[in-house]
Formats: sequence, C-alpha cells, structure tokens
Amino acid sequence: EPEVTQTPSHQVTQMGQEVILRCVPISNHLYFYWYRQILGQKVEFLVSFYNNEISEKSEIFDDQFSVERPDGSNFTLKIRSTKLEDSAMYFCASSEGQGNTEAFFGQGTRLTVV
Amino acid sequence: GQSLEQPSEVTAVEGAIVQINCTYQTSGFYGLSWYQQHDGGAPTFLSYNALDGLEETGRFSSFLSRSDSYGYLLLQELQMKDSASYFCAVRDEGVPTFGRGTSLIVHP
Repeated sequence: EPEVTQTPSHQVTQMGQEVILRCVPISNHLYFYWYRQILGQKVEFLVSFYNNEISEKSEIFDDQFSVERPDGSNFTLKIRSTKLEDSAMYFCASSEGQGNTEAFFGQGTRLTVV
Repeated sequence: GQSLEQPSEVTAVEGAIVQINCTYQTSGFYGLSWYQQHDGGAPTFLSYNALDGLEETGRFSSFLSRSDSYGYLLLQELQMKDSASYFCAVRDEGVPTFGRGTSLIVHP
C-alpha cells in the first residue's frame, strides 16, 4: 500500500541551527502539506503546496520556514535558526485532490531543539 | 478562518458505544473528516462526510448536519485498541484544519 515516508524519524539540533525535514509523498498525489504537533497539543497546519508553489500557509509559517520540491519525489521543510519552541513532531501529508479527499500522513519527524 | 470544538476527553468501557461530537465554524465548507491518532503516531483517516447524513464503515460511523455545522463520530463495540485521540477536521477550499482532538480512554 502506498504511503508517505518521512526522514529522519528523530532529529536533535542545537538552537540557532538550520534543519531540513524530508518527505516523499504518495506518487500520484498532487497536494502536499506540512503540519506540526507540539507534545500534547493539536495538529497545526503550516503550509500546503500545489503545482510547485505554496497554495496556503498559516501564521506559524513565517520567514523562518520554507518548503521546496527539489525533484519529482521529495518535499522538504527547512527551518532556519531553530528555536526551543520549534521542538515538535512535524508531519508531512499528501492528497490526490483538494476539498473532498483524505490526507495521508507520514509517521512524522520528531524535532528536538536543545 | 475556521474553528472547531470537540470534547477534550471521553471515557467508556469495552463493548460500549461512544459518540464524539464536533461543531465547527468555517467560511467555506467542503466536508468534515475524522482522524485517529495513537500516541506518537501519525493521524490516520477514518471517514469523510460531505453531505448530510450518516456514513458507516464497520464499527465506526460518522454523521454530518451542514445546517447545524455539527457532526459526530460514533464508535460501536469499543475495543481497548480504540483508545486514542480523535480529531475532526474541516475542509474548506484549502486545507484540512484540525480540532484540538478528543482523547478516548477505553476501560476493561
């Protein structure tokens, strides 16, 4: 069964460093998303991506964050100058279409900023 | 913007039936989804309602009333493995926006 894969599963980084979280969405999906979940809290939308550009982003997704689809399969989230409060589980998701289709989530990357 | 309200926690015993409610406010609306998340795991899709009424998938059913901006997830014949967080999510023209989640605790 096709699945969304994310690497690494865990990432520990020092405050102020840059991290890149990687995702391989399901191959025939067209919409890609990043969410984060701080421990014990709800899943929060960060950004959606379609047709090689950002289609929507939340207020959380400020200049510290960027996304890229460097090739036909990978979808990355870059976090610059990490802060302690960036520590969270980051989920990538993809869907076939918009509006009436389910989103499939990867297993997440647990980011710990120390 | 969107907002969703769901209870923070529900407890039930094995074999019972439980209903998790969700009310929403959104500027546009495509449908209401439900996701299950076990501790440390990824959210997994359970159901989607675009139209009013009840959708049944095995032990789980989901209901939507668009006029009331309300839906619920019904879990029957509860099993211990159903202990998890359950999120309702609204789709408008953009992305799924998740509620804060309901922690379901199933007791033997």
